[in-house]
Amino acid sequence: EIVLTQSPGTLSLSPGEGATLSCRASQSVSSGNLAWYQQKPGQAPRLLVYRASSRAPGIPDRFSGSGSGRDFTLTISRLEPEDFAVYYCHQYDSSPRTFGQGTKVEIK
Amino acid sequence: EVQLVESGGGLVQPGGSLRLSCAGSGFTFSSHWMHWVRQGPEKGLVWVSRINHDGSSTNYAASAKGRFTISRDNAKNTMYLQMNSLRVDDTGVYFCTRDRAPATYDAPDIWGRGTTVTVS
Repeated sequence: EIVLTQSPGTLSLSPGEGATLSCRASQSVSSGNLAWYQQKPGQAPRLLVYRASSRAPGIPDRFSGSGSGRDFTLTISRLEPEDFAVYYCHQYDSSPRTFGQGTKVEIK
Repeated sequence: EVQLVESGGGLVQPGGSLRLSCAGSGFTFSSHWMHWVRQGPEKGLVWVSRINHDGSSTNYAASAKGRFTISRDNAKNTMYLQMNSLRVDDTGVYFCTRDRAPATYDAPDIWGRGTTVTVS
């Protein structure tokens, strides 16, 4: 099983600042089969990025994904008020599929 | 509009059973792999099970193997999760999701709003 470890656990930032979220896999995720999701309280997760760096339809370009192998990053260039939420990485390369434990981006 | 709607959750005693349903609409349901994902109270996301587009292949998390059965009826655009021998740690919101690309594995892109299962 591929274990995904996200860091930091919580990021306290102000609107307008940039955010860098990390996801490290216990083994290589081939073909970059890694996705990022945003989840707000009481809502379902929303797909932001798939295949490590492809932005999902309708996702603003301030969200970008990068990385390969074991190390992946989600960058939010300038935080908008609606971006404060929990973010999860997810590998769909091998079974069982796994999620990271989440990074909470909160308002400072 | 592309959407997934879950139903069937509820309160059940340990050892009991529940059958969850997930109805898809607005897309070719029979073309997509589908999954169940659980989120415990104030917890993260846990993948539970997946079924391929025609139902010929299934997969389960270790915690679900032998107790849960995933299935689908493409004529009804509906996926199911039969959950038996339920335990307290099965409690949570169960989301159904579909993989983005047809007929192969991909990132889940569409999620339902979830149905709540409470084992107590």
